[in-house]
Amino acid sequence: GDSVTQMEGPVTLSEEAFLTINCTYTATGYPSLFWYVQYPGEGLQLLLKATKADDKGSNKGFEATYRKETTSFHLEKGSVQVSDSAVYFCALSDQEGGYQKVTFGIGTKLQVIP
Amino acid sequence: NAGVTQTPKFQVLKTGQSMTLQCAQDMNHEYMSWYRQDPGMGLRLIHYSVGAGITDQGEVPNGYNVSRSTTEDFPLRLLSAAPSQTSVYFCASSSPPRWRETQYFGPGTRLLVL
Repeated sequence: GDSVTQMEGPVTLSEEAFLTINCTYTATGYPSLFWYVQYPGEGLQLLLKATKADDKGSNKGFEATYRKETTSFHLEKGSVQVSDSAVYFCALSDQEGGYQKVTFGIGTKLQVIP
Repeated sequence: NAGVTQTPKFQVLKTGQSMTLQCAQDMNHEYMSWYRQDPGMGLRLIHYSVGAGITDQGEVPNGYNVSRSTTEDFPLRLLSAAPSQTSVYFCASSSPPRWRETQYFGPGTRLLVL
């Protein structure tokens, strides 16, 4: 079945540092890939997505490229801020019997210190 | 638009009690789902619905019931609460069940079963 692998963390960075959160996946079909962010005490919200190979999703300075050859969708940001402290979930969405099936990673907690 | 709303925000139950977690969305989304979030396990799908009158089991359905009488509402029922059901519960919705679509999450319900 489908699966998503990402480190749990926490990842601790100083403000303005470069961020990479790795995400790799296995899927039987041709999934869409997502990064969701969860701020403390809130639900998940979409950060960015990519729906086919070589697509790059971007939002709020974050980027991720859909790499089919390495089955990866790593999240990057050039300069993190304290306000980026949150839990980041990688997810894939695939068809199963005509319906949407979404598989989430375990989430990576990011702590940015001033 | 209110998006996806969930009530209550917090609940404490005793073992054996029953309760219903409410979820509503005002985006006319056909696809709705319930997840539970536990430390180190990410989000796991409990039940989902692809439209009014149609529901199906997810990854961890035992101990939970759902029904979908309207497009807007998708309540989750705990029949006889157990400490293992202590978790944070999220409801999510998306537009017609296409695998490229973003899911919209509610703010969550924190449940403690004593």
